[in-house]
Amino acid sequence: QLQLQESGPGLVKPSETLSLTCTVSGGSISSTDYYWGWIRQPPGKGLECIGSIYYSGSTYYNPSLKSRVTISVDTSKNQFSLNLSSVTAADTAVYYCARHAYNFNDGVSFFDYWGQGALVTVSS
Amino acid sequence: DIVMTQSPDSLAVSLGERATINCKSSQSVLYSSNNKNYLAWYQQKPGQPPKLLIYWASTRKSGVPGRFSGSGSGTDFTLTISSLQAEDVAVYFCQQYYYIPWTFGQGTKVEIK
Repeated sequence: QLQLQESGPGLVKPSETLSLTCTVSGGSISSTDYYWGWIRQPPGKGLECIGSIYYSGSTYYNPSLKSRVTISVDTSKNQFSLNLSSVTAADTAVYYCARHAYNFNDGVSFFDYWGQGALVTVSS
Repeated sequence: DIVMTQSPDSLAVSLGERATINCKSSQSVLYSSNNKNYLAWYQQKPGQPPKLLIYWASTRKSGVPGRFSGSGSGTDFTLTISSLQAEDVAVYFCQQYYYIPWTFGQGTKVEIK
């Protein structure tokens, strides 16, 4: 059974960089059939896609966050990571990593497996 | 960005009764080349991540109970729970995955009347 697990600091100071890692188990991050994404959810609010990455390093980013976001992949560790720079209180959220299906004909699609989420609070 | 608008924001339904949630996208998410609607539905219970229920607007994920069904095309979609069970109390989100950034509806909270 595929499992995804987020890890990283739960508290980040304003203006610093938020860094999270997602470790994938029960499946290979190098599969050609999937992209791997980050989604966040501020407390009590809705869901926002941050960006996604393919095992080859190809990425999609949300244009509203693109200037501050870097997503990278480490296939040797079966992990992918999120860096979000210059954070403010508005970046306080539960951050989820998730897998989404991909094929050449349909493109990137729905999120079929999610991690449990990691709450990151931005505060001094 | 494509705006996904769900209605209602919340609804209370008696056990065994039908629950209907609507989702409207600001642009069509139907891809003419493959005739697929790039629309998914998720269920989120408190303290848990979203769980995929329906994709391609009407395909139920394996293991999802048959009382959940999705319909619609283009810009208007519906998630129906045919006979509400206690374990269905949750927030439901629709999501379009046709345009970047992929976007979600604001969520619909389903409760027991």
